[in-house]
Amino acid sequence: GAVVSQHPSRVICKSGTSVKIECRSLDFQATTMFWYRQFPKQSLMLMATSNEGSKATYEQGVEKDKFLINHASLTLSTLTVTSAHPEDSSFYICSASIAGGATDTQYFGPGTRLTVL
Amino acid sequence: QKEVEQNSGPLSVPEGAIASLNCTYSDRGSQSFFWYRQYSGKSPELIMSIYSNGDKEDGRFTAQLNKASQYVSLLIRDSQPSDSATYLCAVKVGGGSQGNLIFGKGTKLSVKP
Repeated sequence: GAVVSQHPSRVICKSGTSVKIECRSLDFQATTMFWYRQFPKQSLMLMATSNEGSKATYEQGVEKDKFLINHASLTLSTLTVTSAHPEDSSFYICSASIAGGATDTQYFGPGTRLTVL
Repeated sequence: QKEVEQNSGPLSVPEGAIASLNCTYSDRGSQSFFWYRQYSGKSPELIMSIYSNGDKEDGRFTAQLNKASQYVSLLIRDSQPSDSATYLCAVKVGGGSQGNLIFGKGTKLSVKP
């Protein structure tokens, strides 16, 4: 149980294009989904917290107009990197918490490796 | 600024030995603590969670929590080469399912055959 998927697993795009990453909770409903970014040899950095049906809460320093987050249902959140540039190349990972559950554990998706040329 | 500190390693242990991974955190009000394992190029996978002072055992893994010292550790008994990975300590800030995790930078463990 508690499986989170991400799509795509890997994407290469040209500078200036937009890329959409999907995060799905496959066997549970997620009230809250989280988006992280991880650069090589660095730890995970939280980008934003996404709640179903409401606007995402962005961490300080993360541009909300560049990283668009939509959490339309209890099983799907999307992150769109708009006008991507090479410095946006990173490993993007989502996680999800079970809605209404006693546990506060976050379950992570497999990640999406973005390379911007 | 809430922080989670880990020794970056690498920590090298021989196969069969006990690996001890340590973590300290700055927010005294934290109540939930997690250890994740991350293989190179992969996303983190949950190993253990711990909420109360003392030890919590799950198979070869034992998590230890001391809130007074703001210290949490992970012991891996009978270490195997497949345990070689980066271990991330995470501390939850805020309550319920919406709380954020603050991650340490991770300790790289290498288990030598």
